[in-house]
Amino acid sequence: DTAVSQTPKYLVTQMGNDKSIKCEQNLGHDTMYWYKQDSKKFLKIMFSYNNKELIINETVPNRFSPKSPDKAHLNLHINSLELGDSAVYFCASSRTGSFGGANVLTFGAGSRLTVL
Amino acid sequence: AQSVTQLDSHVSVSEGTPVLLRCNYSSSYSPSLFWYVQHPNKGLQLLLKYTSAATLVKGINGFEAEFKKSETSFHLTKPSAHMSDAAEYFCVVSEPGYSTLTFGKGTMLLVSP
Repeated sequence: DTAVSQTPKYLVTQMGNDKSIKCEQNLGHDTMYWYKQDSKKFLKIMFSYNNKELIINETVPNRFSPKSPDKAHLNLHINSLELGDSAVYFCASSRTGSFGGANVLTFGAGSRLTVL
Repeated sequence: AQSVTQLDSHVSVSEGTPVLLRCNYSSSYSPSLFWYVQHPNKGLQLLLKYTSAATLVKGINGFEAEFKKSETSFHLTKPSAHMSDAAEYFCVVSEPGYSTLTFGKGTMLLVSP
């Protein structure tokens, strides 16, 4: 059973289109995240939700809209896709939102978005 | 504010030789520190974590890291590299009260036969 699963794994689309990436975790974690990894492998947090509530919203264009229907799911919708949105998007989850003690991030396998 | 610097973008070793991946951190408080590994076209996997218990932390696949507060370092080592260790490695820091992790820019480990 995959702990954090995201779909699709690959997404190729044209500029201007709207697309969604879905994420589900079966770990019972309270907190979920979206990270963006650029072509130089740099990982940057985009959003974080704790128990369906948005707690972190970094400086991300408002074309990106996360949605958390329940604490096991965090989807990412992107409107009006641009070339610069091409990246690998990782979903992750953690037991809580702070990282002392045994709490760690568990990542999904990533969704590679290519905008043509 | 928390930050982390990985001192080498690429490290090349021969199979069977030791591995050293260097990481320095900046933190106002006692941080939690992590190493994650990313194999090609895969997600990130936790190797090990330091949380103010023992300063020498043992992880999976024979890796370990030592927390040195005086040097603000958390270098990752392995006595003998294996071909399957070839991957991107990320050093990560989190301060108490921060609800995010800050990632280093990664070190690509190349292992030659």
